[in-house]
Amino acid sequence: DTGVSQDPRHKITKRGQNVTFRCDPISEHNRLYWYRQTLGQGPEFLTYFQNEAQLEKSRLLSDRFSAERPKGSFSTLEIQRTEQGDSAMYLCASSLNTDTQYFGPGTRLTVL
Amino acid sequence: GQNIDQPTEMTATEGAIVQINCTYQTSGFNGLFWYQQHAGEAPTFLSYNVLDGLEEKGRFSSFLSRSKGYSYLLLKELQMKDSASYLCAVNPGTYKYIFGTGTRLKVLA
Repeated sequence: DTGVSQDPRHKITKRGQNVTFRCDPISEHNRLYWYRQTLGQGPEFLTYFQNEAQLEKSRLLSDRFSAERPKGSFSTLEIQRTEQGDSAMYLCASSLNTDTQYFGPGTRLTVL
Repeated sequence: GQNIDQPTEMTATEGAIVQINCTYQTSGFNGLFWYQQHAGEAPTFLSYNVLDGLEEKGRFSSFLSRSKGYSYLLLKELQMKDSASYLCAVNPGTYKYIFGTGTRLKVLA
């Protein structure tokens, strides 16, 4: 399967703990995006990488959130000191330049 | 501001045709996308329109009118597996898509 993959698929954590998610994009895609989706809503943009450069972070991404794409391939999204409001589906997507974005299966985060 | 509107929920019968509308107001326009999302799963790409007119792909068609800020997704010969949310998204000319809240379609036997 050469689609976008994400790990883990599900994460349950206690409030205050740190969590890290991984995304592996489609191999030739140079652009990588993180979105967050809550129940009944569409995905909301969080951040975007072109190769290894993080070119924009949404104001939704507080100081507790950080994302990296160190070698322009996989990316990680870390949330520090999780809060119950962070519970959501975290979606990763990739594209080749301005072409269509393809989504991974998502990581569902539950903060207790 | 950026705004995308689509109905929250629709119901249709197996074998029927359903049209899901989407209107948008964005600062720019570089394409409109439709995605299908089953509960608990990621959005999967259905169609892309950047020029006015109808794009047909099997049982699915998508229409765009840029002057009206309007699109629709047409699903023919509905099947039970078509029960899902349908997301309308616009690329306003940047790299990030603006998504609507999605239309939840229920297909009844």
